[in-house]
Amino acid sequence: DVKVTQSSRYLVKRTGEKVFLECVQDMDHENMFWYRQDPGLGLRLIYFSYDVKMKEKGDIPEGYSVSREKKERFSLILESASTNQTSMYLCASVPGGVTYEQYFGPGTRLTVT
Amino acid sequence: GIQVEQSPPDLILQEGANSTLRCNFSDSVNNLQWFHQNPWGQLINLFYIPSGTKQNGRLSATTVATERYSLLYISSSQTTDSGVYFCAVERNTGTASKLTFGTGTRLQVTL
Repeated sequence: DVKVTQSSRYLVKRTGEKVFLECVQDMDHENMFWYRQDPGLGLRLIYFSYDVKMKEKGDIPEGYSVSREKKERFSLILESASTNQTSMYLCASVPGGVTYEQYFGPGTRLTVT
Repeated sequence: GIQVEQSPPDLILQEGANSTLRCNFSDSVNNLQWFHQNPWGQLINLFYIPSGTKQNGRLSATTVATERYSLLYISSSQTTDSGVYFCAVERNTGTASKLTFGTGTRLQVTL
């Protein structure tokens, strides 16, 4: 079975802090994604990566950056956390080539105070 | 961009009842997935269904791509079916396929 893990289930940070959210997948998938989930808005794509060191902006990239130095690891970075970035963050991965279903990690609930 | 609408937004069922969840989308898509998010936040794939009908136990899904909608059927509902059901449609951007999610249907199954 595909396993996608995220570094923390719950995280509390202060406004202005730099925050790292880590995601690791164990199935050699090319594509990895970061979403945020907010009530009434569903999941929205922040960034995705289709290969090591390759990344593309999603629908709401403002205030975020990403890093993919190794194939199995995709990091989401909040350079200067703000209260409007309080949310549930979900990572997903999927093989490259023909389309397959996305596999999600358990999520990180981030609170910025 | 593509719009994905789900209905109803909330649903309360008594255990044993059947239900139908609907997903409408505004443009042609490469594919469609249904997910269940359990009360702990984990998203689980239910179906990967670009067209036609699939069944998995008490759940089944039908997608009519030409009319831009998909239906998820839950029969003989159980309390473990509670959670949020999301429909997501797939867009191919050339570098990777991206999902656009609906806002979900929150289902509560009571005893």
